[in-house]
Amino acid sequence: DTEVTQTPKHLVMGMTNKKSLKCEQHMGHRAMYWYKQKAKKPPELMFVYSYEKLSINESVPSRFSPECPNSSLLNLHLHALQPEDSALYLCASSFNSLAGANVLTFGAGSRLTVL
Amino acid sequence: GQSLEQPSEVTAVEGAIVQINCTYQTSGFYGLSWYQQHDGGAPTFLSYNGLDGLEETGRFSSFLSRSDSYGYLLLQELQMKDSASYFCAPVGQDKIIFGKGTRLHILP
Repeated sequence: DTEVTQTPKHLVMGMTNKKSLKCEQHMGHRAMYWYKQKAKKPPELMFVYSYEKLSINESVPSRFSPECPNSSLLNLHLHALQPEDSALYLCASSFNSLAGANVLTFGAGSRLTVL
Repeated sequence: GQSLEQPSEVTAVEGAIVQINCTYQTSGFYGLSWYQQHDGGAPTFLSYNGLDGLEETGRFSSFLSRSDSYGYLLLQELQMKDSASYFCAPVGQDKIIFGKGTRLHILP
């Protein structure tokens, strides 16, 4: 299995809702990432988990809450989002997050619309 | 601080060769990677340079000069399916940051 699977593919939520994005990989990768991408912009790093521990939080607002229940799963919990948070949320994984030829394998993304 | 520069758009003819340049300033630099992203798709890995010099993978090659903080992606025998955005992405300790991307337009 060489895929990263993200669910749901599309999500529409109100500003008062609580929802979660899910990501799963079975490649034995020990690093997992959340990126946010707006239209015609590059992917913007949000969080990095390395060996199931949060290693990087790129000053992301607390209305985004990541969780890594095990080495194969990564969640992004969403609460009280703003319309400007509407974007494509990309999950990625790599063999590890240590220095070296880190190759990111991306999921297809979850397209989020906040009303 | 960190900065990444690559052209915003490049246009080339089918069958031709195109080079996309990337200059970077980043701390904790380990190497330079390149990703391709088609409209509506996810980024996919193309190439990585951990050492100075040229890496070749089929029609795609990538080059790195650490002393110049410079790299490029070379695409040969361009095909219409190569129309996409290309991102240079320096690899650092624990993270990979993407440049703003170069939109490649291919003319028939």
